[in-house]
Amino acid sequence: AQTVTQSQPEMSVQEAETVTLSCTYDTSESDYYLFWYKQPPSRQMILVIRQEAYKQQNATENRFSVNFQKAAKSFSLKISDSQLGDAAMYFCAYRSSVSGQLTFGSGTQLTVLP
Amino acid sequence: GAGVSQSPSNKVTEKGKDVELRCDPISGHTALYWYRQSLGQGLEFLIYFQGNSAPDKSGLPSDRFSAERTGGSVSTLTIQRTQQEDSAVYLCASSLVPALYQETQYFGPGTRLLVL
Repeated sequence: AQTVTQSQPEMSVQEAETVTLSCTYDTSESDYYLFWYKQPPSRQMILVIRQEAYKQQNATENRFSVNFQKAAKSFSLKISDSQLGDAAMYFCAYRSSVSGQLTFGSGTQLTVLP
Repeated sequence: GAGVSQSPSNKVTEKGKDVELRCDPISGHTALYWYRQSLGQGLEFLIYFQGNSAPDKSGLPSDRFSAERTGGSVSTLTIQRTQQEDSAVYLCASSLVPALYQETQYFGPGTRLLVL
């Protein structure tokens, strides 16, 4: 079974600064997908970015980018030029190529300080 | 609709009562998922529907939990004889083509269940 670990329950960043959220996972599979979801107080889970395991190039979406280290099974999220609207709970998730469901980490609560 | 919708938004019930939670996926999405999020925790997979195939029920925590999906669209998650440990946010998600594992799952706003 796959597991996803987020070792930072809480993080804070100054507005306009950069912050990195860490995520590690454990799997015996070679092909899979990784995701970062954002959950604001509204509870709505919003996809931030996704990464295909077979791609070496790190995914980027505007101010959001990942550092995917497949051998180390690490998948960190970097948020550049942090904005107040980035404040939320961030979840790292793994999806197997075999099963449909996502396996989530326990989340990192990000606070953005003005 | 434009996104996944869930009802009710909040539900308070007494221990031992049955509850039904509803999910309306994005039109045309053939895959539907239910997850549970306990306070301060990540999401825990419950059940997965893929088209007309038998659902993957491997995540259901007990036989008090069941779900159905009628007509390949709306889904209802039923919890019988609710217990206080069932208190959580229940999230539903849908995706377009389940066979493609890279397909993004789109989430609804969830139903917050409180069992007194």
